[in-house]
Amino acid sequence: DIQMTQSPSSLSASVGDRVTITCRASQGIRNDLGWFQQKPGKAPKRLIYAASSLQSGVPSRFSASGSGTEFSLTISSLQPEDFATYYCLQHNTYPITFGQGTRLEIK
Amino acid sequence: EVQLVESGGGLVQPRGSLRLSCAVSGFTLSDYYIDWVRQAPGKGLEWVGRSRNKANSYTTEYAASVKGRFTISRDDSKNSLYLQMNSLKTEDTAVYHCVRSYYYDGSVYSDFDYWGQGTLVTVSS
Repeated sequence: DIQMTQSPSSLSASVGDRVTITCRASQGIRNDLGWFQQKPGKAPKRLIYAASSLQSGVPSRFSASGSGTEFSLTISSLQPEDFATYYCLQHNTYPITFGQGTRLEIK
Repeated sequence: EVQLVESGGGLVQPRGSLRLSCAVSGFTLSDYYIDWVRQAPGKGLEWVGRSRNKANSYTTEYAASVKGRFTISRDDSKNSLYLQMNSLKTEDTAVYHCVRSYYYDGSVYSDFDYWGQGTLVTVSS
């Protein structure tokens, strides 16, 4: 199985901060990676597909990059509604696997 | 409007069975792969399995943790997908989401773009 190592597992930040979350795949997955935001009691919401493509309707403060084994999600200026848990997902190889999540909390 | 709505969750005893349903609307089910993803209370997301589209003969894939116990099927005429869960274990307790997971027609591509809100399955005696 491909392991997706996501870091950090939790992060405290302030409104206006720039934050970056990373995902490392245990083997190459090309750009078959998505990033998702989940708020308590809600379904995950896709932010990014194909490693760096922004989902329509998602604010441009979200950006992502990477290919192969190293990926990152950056929020350029945190807004109050961005405090949530973020997951990466690889769909290159079965079984499809998620990172363990990054909980983004208000400092 | 694209929608996926799960139903069928509830309390079941260990070694019991349950069938979840996923009713879809706003798109042609036969064109899409649909996955099931679960989330145990307070835990992360875990992929459960996949149903490919009509063009790929509705073939399926499963996570090792559920293979041989869970079966995904669909009835495109009813715009519905199903997850039959047998020999349930306490560790299967989770919210189960169905997800529209893949589409590609040579020009348009999408993956994991729409998720249902989920249905809670509790396995406990």
